[in-house]
Amino acid sequence: DAMVIQNPRYQVTQFGKPVTLSCSQTLNHNVMYWYQQKSSQAPKLLFHYYDKDFNNEADTPDNFQSRRPNTSFCFLDIRSPGLGDAAMYLCATSTASGTVNEQFFGPGTRLTVL
Amino acid sequence: AQSVTQPDIHITVSEGASLELRCNYSYGATPYLFWYVQSPGQGLQLLLKYFSGDTLVQGIKGFEAEFKRSQSSFNLRKPSVHWSDAAEYFCAVGYNYGGSQGNLIFGKGTKLSVKP
Repeated sequence: DAMVIQNPRYQVTQFGKPVTLSCSQTLNHNVMYWYQQKSSQAPKLLFHYYDKDFNNEADTPDNFQSRRPNTSFCFLDIRSPGLGDAAMYLCATSTASGTVNEQFFGPGTRLTVL
Repeated sequence: AQSVTQPDIHITVSEGASLELRCNYSYGATPYLFWYVQSPGQGLQLLLKYFSGDTLVQGIKGFEAEFKRSQSSFNLRKPSVHWSDAAEYFCAVGYNYGGSQGNLIFGKGTKLSVKP
């Protein structure tokens, strides 16, 4: 089945220690998104890629970076995690066809910062 | 600016009872509207979407939603709730970004508990 996969499902890191979260997709979608979701809150868009074009949300901290080496993979790098970065990180994909399309979500990575 | 309001943070219904989850949006043009469901520790799954046409939209798992432009609402309904429907429900409005892509703005979610 075509899907969005996130690894790992659970990640524990130490305060200030860089961490990378991974997302892959078999849907061959142009657009890949990263969301941050804190407990009992709505998912908040951090940034997205349209093919290789990177689009950062205005209020996304510089501490968060992303890479998309090819269509299938996208990475979220947190350079110096703080306690406030503990959250669920969701990856999503969609097609780009001149309109707003459904986004397909992965299961998420739960990040704990000690 | 676009926004989504889900006025109910937490709703409890009895199994077999009907359900309505409220969603109000703010958007200048014709909205693209979505309902997603999230089970604990999981990603989001699309229940249904409205882009245009018939204002009553059918989705998966027996859910439906009605778009009411005059009320800026897109409420989710189910005639008979099952225990497995216990989850968090997010309403979202989509908007065009850069002419070819779409982004979503989510409401804060409504947590549904189901009593046996």
